[in-house]
Amino acid sequence: EVQVVQSGAELKRPGTTVIISCKVSGYNFNAYYIHWVQQAPGKGLEWMGLVDPKHGETIYAEKFQGRVTMTADTSADTAYMELGSLRSQDTAIYYCTMGIPGGGSYFFDNWGQGTLVTVSS
Amino acid sequence: DIQMTQSPSSLSASVGDRVTITCRASQTINVFVNWYQQKPGKAPKVLIYAASSLQSGVPSRFSGSGSGTDFTLTISSLQPEDFGTYYCQQSYSTPRTFGGGTKVEIK
Repeated sequence: EVQVVQSGAELKRPGTTVIISCKVSGYNFNAYYIHWVQQAPGKGLEWMGLVDPKHGETIYAEKFQGRVTMTADTSADTAYMELGSLRSQDTAIYYCTMGIPGGGSYFFDNWGQGTLVTVSS
Repeated sequence: DIQMTQSPSSLSASVGDRVTITCRASQTINVFVNWYQQKPGKAPKVLIYAASSLQSGVPSRFSGSGSGTDFTLTISSLQPEDFGTYYCQQSYSTPRTFGGGTKVEIK
């Protein structure tokens, strides 16, 4: 059974950095890209970017470019998302999820439980 | 970026009703649309991928259709457990973009 477990809730001051971990088990960690999705309180889903665990390649959404870094540690089967220069608008739940091939493209399956990041002074 | 426009933004329907949610892409995206259901406090769950393929374990009352720019998610007979918010998402290109969501309430 595939399991995806994220690190716990964080309270951060504006201007600081948060690092969220996403540990996976039950499958070959190198096999699928890991994606990160932001959900602000009461709002919809926003794709932040992806990391290829096997090669370390990343693609980031323009909105987060320059502030976000996504990495993967294959020895620990864990992906990380680092978001810096935090501001109150970054208060959100952050999810990691796997990009699964299907129908000629990819869909998101096996989501983490989400990590609430609160940015407040 | 490809914009995904969902409608309606919310709906209220009775158990047994047929429910349809639509999603329009700002450019043609073949069949590369996925549909998710999200319940309060939970992560999203994939229902349909590649416009019309039912994900394993998802009840057959859920179906998807469409290609190009216009897509539809249909619940053939709404059940009490189908409350939540539904999102479409395009997988044609990066950035992967989601629709704004449709909140489904049970009357």
